[in-house]
Amino acid sequence: GEDVEQSLFLSVREGDSSVINCTYTDSSSTYLYWYKQEPGAGLQLLTYIFSNMDMKQDQRLTVLLNKKDKHLSLRIADTQTGDSAIYFCAESIRTGTASKLTFGTGTRLQVTL
Amino acid sequence: GAVVSQHPSRVICKSGTSVKIECRSLDFQATTMFWYRQFPKQSLMLMATSNEGSKATYEQGVEKDKFLINHASLTLSTLTVTSAHPEDSSFYICSARDLGGLTYEQYFGPGTRLTVT
Repeated sequence: GEDVEQSLFLSVREGDSSVINCTYTDSSSTYLYWYKQEPGAGLQLLTYIFSNMDMKQDQRLTVLLNKKDKHLSLRIADTQTGDSAIYFCAESIRTGTASKLTFGTGTRLQVTL
Repeated sequence: GAVVSQHPSRVICKSGTSVKIECRSLDFQATTMFWYRQFPKQSLMLMATSNEGSKATYEQGVEKDKFLINHASLTLSTLTVTSAHPEDSSFYICSARDLGGLTYEQYFGPGTRLTVT
């Protein structure tokens, strides 16, 4: 299956950490991605993790991958108001010679003062 | 680097007309481009994979005669919505894969909002 699920909404206070979760079903994923979408805009790649890694840290972002449970999370440290957006996880699956992305349902992050 | 543009950013058309949307990779070559549509407050749904010099591969349920895709060069793919109807109103986003990239990363365009009246 190719279902990728996320919780719909998360609200955090400025300065706190945000954790956005994602579950996927296809164990053949090669890469897993986190994208950010601001209102009326396209997608911005935040970070990605290769499927044989458990963790990746990039400045304020930490990605954790539990391949056994097919669970991916994105932690944003010191969340700022500019982090308010919709966050999509996506898995890359190879089909023959091609690979394509399947996106999660998206999590709207609201950062309050 | 790795910038993808789309044109137009917004378009309003009358029911029954056709609309063409362009997707360009500005500073890299892309043998493969992807077209997605996104309904309000929903995720991106892959419509088709566009390969330079060959026919596009459409996802199940996407009408290839309605959504015409042309990928004539390594930097340009076009999506034409033919005989548009109000239910085709949506946010269309393209992405491009860098031919020289190492991570199979897709770079996304800013999207085109289509409104059919």
